[in-house]
Amino acid sequence: NAGVMQNPRHLVRRRGQEARLRCSPMKGHSHVYWYRQLPEEGLKFMVYLQKENIIDESGMPKERFSAEFPKEGPSILRIQQVVRGDSAAYFCASSPPTATTNEKLFFGSGTQLSVL
Amino acid sequence: QKEVEQDPGPLSVPEGAIVSLNCTYSNSAFQYFMWYRQYSRKGPELLMYTYSSGNKEDGRFTAQVDKSSKYISLFIRDSQPSDSATYLCATNAGGTSYGKLTFGQGTILTVHP
Repeated sequence: NAGVMQNPRHLVRRRGQEARLRCSPMKGHSHVYWYRQLPEEGLKFMVYLQKENIIDESGMPKERFSAEFPKEGPSILRIQQVVRGDSAAYFCASSPPTATTNEKLFFGSGTQLSVL
Repeated sequence: QKEVEQDPGPLSVPEGAIVSLNCTYSNSAFQYFMWYRQYSRKGPELLMYTYSSGNKEDGRFTAQVDKSSKYISLFIRDSQPSDSATYLCATNAGGTSYGKLTFGQGTILTVHP
């Protein structure tokens, strides 16, 4: 059973470009969480999605950031018009619909976004 | 003030030493407490998970929670070079928000042979 898959592992963008980060949850998992890890900081919650629904986006910046988890395919975190401050490691985590605690929450290896 | 405070270290110890990692939190709504280990260029992996005040032991690892002082600790006995990683404390209020974690900054630990 493959773990949470994130791609690309490394993404380089110039200021003003768009960044698309993909997350394929573990098999059987329908809940996805996105976190951001800035240099010298811990992980910060961004958004919680279930299939075709955004459940909690309280950690998402108000502008330029969006997330989706379609019925088919991976979850996408999209950053429009990237700025240098968006440079960070972005982690995705998934859990099964039957989970009631985060003992069934598994993280991917992350996407390192670098904005030039 | 951050909701979860953790000394970032770095912490360097000799092999076999006892390691003590600590965090404090400010939100009384937090009910669940975790320790994650993160190797370089990898995602966090869950080490310990506790709910109530007290101790929980798993092999060389002991997690301790004191809700009255809002203080959580992780002890590593007989530390090994393979324990070298960043250790993150985390907490949440539980319920349907179990996956919405508040993390500490992380402590970088190096265990040298």
